[in-house]
Parts: sequence; C-alpha cells; structure tokens
Amino acid sequence: EAGVTQFPSHSVIEKGQTVTLRCDPISGHDNLYWYRRVMGKEIKFLLHFVKESKQDESGMPNNRFLAERTGGTYSTLKVQPAELEDSGVYFCASSVLAGHEQYFGPGTRLTVT
Amino acid sequence: GNSVTQMEGPVTLSEEAFLTINCTYTATGYPSLFWYVQYPGEGLQLLLKATKADDKGSNKGFEATYRKETTSFHLEKGSVQVSDSAVYFCALPISSGSARQLTFGSGTQLTVLP
Repeated sequence: EAGVTQFPSHSVIEKGQTVTLRCDPISGHDNLYWYRRVMGKEIKFLLHFVKESKQDESGMPNNRFLAERTGGTYSTLKVQPAELEDSGVYFCASSVLAGHEQYFGPGTRLTVT
Repeated sequence: GNSVTQMEGPVTLSEEAFLTINCTYTATGYPSLFWYVQYPGEGLQLLLKATKADDKGSNKGFEATYRKETTSFHLEKGSVQVSDSAVYFCALPISSGSARQLTFGSGTQLTVLP
C-alpha cells in the first residue's frame, strides 16, 4: 500500500509568485490534514478535510493560502502571492477516521526568496 | 488548548550512548501522547505512543512513559546507533476530546557519531 505522497519535494519561488503543493493521501483515507514547520520550529496545524469538506481551517495563517480537495481524493494547497515568511516545510497527513493515527508524507520544502 | 514543550537541540552523541529527550505537556484531561521521528529525506513516522497515564510506549529500543505527576513524556534509549540520527517530535492532540489536530514540539535534531 502506497503511503502519503507529496509533490513537489522542494520548490523555490520568488516573493509574489504563486505555488501549488499537492498531497495524495493513502487510498481510502477520508481525513486529510495539512501542517507546516516554519524556520525549524514546531510543526503547526493548518487545516483538516473530511472527504472534500473543510472540517477545520483554524490554522490557516491568512487568505493567501487556499486549500482544496475536489472529489475527496488528493488535495492542493496554493499560496498566492507567496511571502518570505511562508518558507518552511509543508506536511500532509491522512487517517482513516478522525482521531485515528495520522500517516504523514515526506513534506514539501518551500523556499521563498 | 493542549501544548507541549520539547527540549531544544541539536543533540550529538557517540554510538552506544544513552539518550534522553525531554518533553513536558500542558493538557486538560489525559490525552494520548506521541513521539514522531523524521529520518533524513522521509516523512514523519509515529515512533511510539501512550494512551493513558503510567503507560509506557516502546519501539525500536526507544521508550517513553506517560507521567501525569510531572506532566512529562521523555524519550529514552539505552544505546543509540548511527541510524537513529533524525529529528524527533513530541506531540499530543490539541484538545483532549479529539485527536484530529496534533500539536507538536519544536523538534530535536539528534546526530549519532560512529
């Protein structure tokens, strides 16, 4: 069984540009989460999908971030326009049921210059 | 909400040394506690967990005991190996009634030298 995959593994963009990160959860996992680690600090929650619905987006930092999960399968996280402070590692995780173990992907390292 | 404070790194040890990474938490109730590990180039993996007070989680020679008296969940290993070099994160659910969101410590980079 394939694990959680994320694409790209690394993205370098200039301030003001747009970047879209993608996450493919484990097949059959209805719950999908986005987290990020900025400046080597703690990993912080961004949002939680149940199928295609946003269950909790309380961690989204501002309206430059837009997450979607059309069809309840893969998810995208778009940052537009990117700012320097958006640099960090963005993790995706999935679980069968909310409250069950979350399986994490390898992360996407975003560098905004 | 619940929170966790983790020992800052980096930590550098020689092979076969004893490892302790401190983690203390603040929580309402008694939520499950977790240690995650991120090996170079890989995603976060659940290393071990404890679901109630006095439980001991263990895996790959690592252990952590859920201590409510000291609100701690310190990670220990008696003899580390080079392959244990990774970043370790302590975590717990952000609210005790749910495990939907996890809140993490800042991570401890461990380097084990041969």
